[in-house]
Amino acid sequence: DAKTTQPNSMESNEEEPVHLPCNHSTISGTDYIHWYRQLPSQGPEYVIHGLTSNVNNRMASLAIAEDRKSSTLILHRATLRDAAVYYCILRDAVGGGSQGNLIFGKGTKLSVKP
Amino acid sequence: GAVVSQHPSRVICKSGTSVKIECRSLDFQATTMFWYRQFPKQSLMLMATSNEGSKATYEQGVEKDKFLINHASLTLSTLTVTSAHPEDSSFYICSARERVGQPQHFGDGTRLSIL
Repeated sequence: DAKTTQPNSMESNEEEPVHLPCNHSTISGTDYIHWYRQLPSQGPEYVIHGLTSNVNNRMASLAIAEDRKSSTLILHRATLRDAAVYYCILRDAVGGGSQGNLIFGKGTKLSVKP
Repeated sequence: GAVVSQHPSRVICKSGTSVKIECRSLDFQATTMFWYRQFPKQSLMLMATSNEGSKATYEQGVEKDKFLINHASLTLSTLTVTSAHPEDSSFYICSARERVGQPQHFGDGTRLSIL
């Protein structure tokens, strides 16, 4: 599986934007970039995913570098409820079986200060 | 949005007991379901993948006779931890996917404590 690298932790102030980086220098052409987050004592929650173009949804925006070797998850206005571990995961959209599974790394623990 | 329901949310039982955890996809048909385990302060570890009507595929190091997985329908998968021991205490999380390329949706997890 292509690997991703994320900072262990980040801090943000409430109501301010947050940019969570992810490096994936070995990404292949068929890998989608997925972001999930996990709140304490809960299962992960899907946030957003993309392939090449930037993506926006009600939760966040995903900015993908032109060479696709890095991406940034953008929370436009952090709230206390956004405090969670954020996982950046590459998933092969073409391969079935194990290549289509989500393999979690350590993620970035985001703390939000009031 | 898609919802995955996992039950029970918490189990506390004696060593040697077998525990069954259910995972249901509520508003979509899950051709593939996944079972993860998460120890404190660690990330999720994939245990096994199951396709409806087929035997589960287990990750390396996961004992298939210890962790029995049944995916009998497109909306239900069960994980049975047989003869559980204290080292099996963990947070077990199921996930479901409608088809390849679609997002995986997760249950809220089952916290298993073996005394």
